[in-house]
Amino acid sequence: QVQLVQSGAEVKKPGSSVKVSCKASGGTFMNYAGSWVRQAPGQGFEWVGGIVPSFGTINYAQKFQGRVTITADESTSTVFMELSSLISADTAVYYCARAPSSYDAFDIWGQGTLVTVSS
Amino acid sequence: EIVMTQSPATLSVSPGERATLSCRASQTVSSNLAWYQQKPGQAPRLLIYGASTRAAGTPARFSGGGSGTEFTLTISSLQSEDFAVYYCQQYNNWPLFTFGPGTKVDI
Repeated sequence: QVQLVQSGAEVKKPGSSVKVSCKASGGTFMNYAGSWVRQAPGQGFEWVGGIVPSFGTINYAQKFQGRVTITADESTSTVFMELSSLISADTAVYYCARAPSSYDAFDIWGQGTLVTVSS
Repeated sequence: EIVMTQSPATLSVSPGERATLSCRASQTVSSNLAWYQQKPGQAPRLLIYGASTRAAGTPARFSGGGSGTEFTLTISSLQSEDFAVYYCQQYNNWPLFTFGPGTKVDI
């Protein structure tokens, strides 16, 4: 059974960057689509961006264009999300999620990584 | 961007009762609609995809319906473990996935 295991909680200063990892344990990301979705405290979900490693396809939500970079390391079945120029409104739990393809629902989710932006 | 709305915001029900949750899309999403369950402190769990197909492990008391812009999630007989927040999500407008604001099902 595939599990997505994310890196630990982060506390960052405004203006800095954060990089979160998501490793597929017991499986692979390479033939699937991986996305990052965030949830601010007490709020709903917001799609940040996604990657299809086998095709090298990467898409970002317009809101995050220029601030977010999503990459994948095939050798370790790990997907990364780096968000720069952090502001307090970026404080959220960031989830990675896997879908069978870009046109499918997210069938497996990571446990979430809390990113706190505070001076 | 396709805007998803859900109603009601909160649904108060008793164990054993039937619950019906609604989700509406601002434009058609065909049947590319998923339902997720989220409990406090946990990641979401996929319940339904393709508007009406139960994901692996989803109990038969959960059923999804609808297409186009109007969708429902029905829980036929609520169990104690079903009290949670439920979100709908459209994946028709790739890569612009959007979620609804959620419906909290509580006692």
